[in-house]
Amino acid sequence: EAQVTQNPRYLITVTGKKLTVTCSQNMNHEYMSWYRQDPGLGLRQIYYSMNVEVTDKGDVPEGYKVSRKEKRNFPLILESPSPNQTSLYFCASSQTYRGSNYGYTFGSGTRLTVV
Amino acid sequence: AQKVTQAQTEISVVEKEDVTLDCVYETRDTTYYLFWYKQPPSGELVFLIRRNSFDEQNEISGRYSWNFQKSTSSFNFTITASQVVDSAVYFCALSDYKLSFGAGTTVTVRA
Repeated sequence: EAQVTQNPRYLITVTGKKLTVTCSQNMNHEYMSWYRQDPGLGLRQIYYSMNVEVTDKGDVPEGYKVSRKEKRNFPLILESPSPNQTSLYFCASSQTYRGSNYGYTFGSGTRLTVV
Repeated sequence: AQKVTQAQTEISVVEKEDVTLDCVYETRDTTYYLFWYKQPPSGELVFLIRRNSFDEQNEISGRYSWNFQKSTSSFNFTITASQVVDSAVYFCALSDYKLSFGAGTTVTVRA
């Protein structure tokens, strides 16, 4: 089944403790991106990647890092999480940055709470 | 600057009523794509439609229809004869050089 897999689905952590949210896709997509969803703000892009070793900042990159060493994986790293990073996170992929006739494929989301 | 505006924060209707969700966008590009996504209470994002900037034909898919008007930079979405299962948050999105979402409209359909 074609899908984007995010892990974990839920995570509660403490301020300052480094964490990684994994994202993997099995569709050989070139484009991958991370979003955070907050009430009243919709989804805001954190980082995106056009292809392996090509990443760039989105609208809200502060406090996050990403890497794209392999085409299928695009992990999101929070080096020192803070409470304002409590949010619902989504990973998405598509063949191109324009999306496709099937849109962008999103993962199921990761609900992160930083206390 | 690229921007997507969904002015309606919440809409509440009774089952079988029609509901129209507004989406207005801004972009400097002549080539772009517009999307609608549904987010039910379970939280996943469900793709509904993609429309490119050169195709202004309206689209109908079952009880869903979309009205794309380049002249007013709008891409509105109508649910006809709404059902309780239509209750969700609906997002409009624009892709030119990146994908940007509106803030979303919460639709509640009451039985």
